Amino acid sequence: SQTIHQWPATLVQPVGSPLSLECTVEGTSNPNLYWYRQAAGRGLQLLFYSVGIGQISSEVPQNLSASRPQDRQFILSSKKLLLSDSGFYLCAWSDSSYEQYFGPGTRLTVT
Amino acid sequence: GQQLNQSPQSMFIQEGEDVSMNCTSSSIFNTWLWYKQDPGEGPVLLIALYKAGELTSNGRLTAQFGITRKDSFLNISASIPSDVGIYFCAATNTGNQFYFGTGTSLTVIP
Repeated sequence: SQTIHQWPATLVQPVGSPLSLECTVEGTSNPNLYWYRQAAGRGLQLLFYSVGIGQISSEVPQNLSASRPQDRQFILSSKKLLLSDSGFYLCAWSDSSYEQYFGPGTRLTVT
Repeated sequence: GQQLNQSPQSMFIQEGEDVSMNCTSSSIFNTWLWYKQDPGEGPVLLIALYKAGELTSNGRLTAQFGITRKDSFLNISASIPSDVGIYFCAATNTGNQFYFGTGTSLTVIP
């Protein structure tokens, strides 16, 4: 069966510090991978998605970036965090079944 | 990006009551999904619908894919306290781009 991991689970970072969130998927090959941010208002905002290694589509221009160095690894990064980057970050994957599955999330607080 | 219109935004119900929520779109979709999110956790897929008119159940949950392909409904029968959470609808045509509703927050009063 497929499993999706995210770490860390929680993170508190000062403004201006770098960020690296990692997501890995097990039990599937060549998945589509996604990063979402969920603010307190609970809507899901798509940040990035990837259909393959090195292929990243950005949905929202901002100070975040994403990379996919391996088939089942997706990384969300920032060189300098802003207060507005605080939120709940969710990684997700999908395949040809047209179903999307989410990871447990990372709670980021920028202070 | 495009959002689906989900209603109601929130519901407060007595334990044992039935719950209905829906999701509409101005566009046609060929797959509808329903998720539940508990506080501090990622959304969990409850039901996937692939065919217009399809009615699918998962325990006390029943979801329907609207015949126009522009809407979907989720019903929860005989609610219990652990049904508390936020329910999201989602839809896709491509399997790699998904659109989400804004969520329905459900509170079950014992």
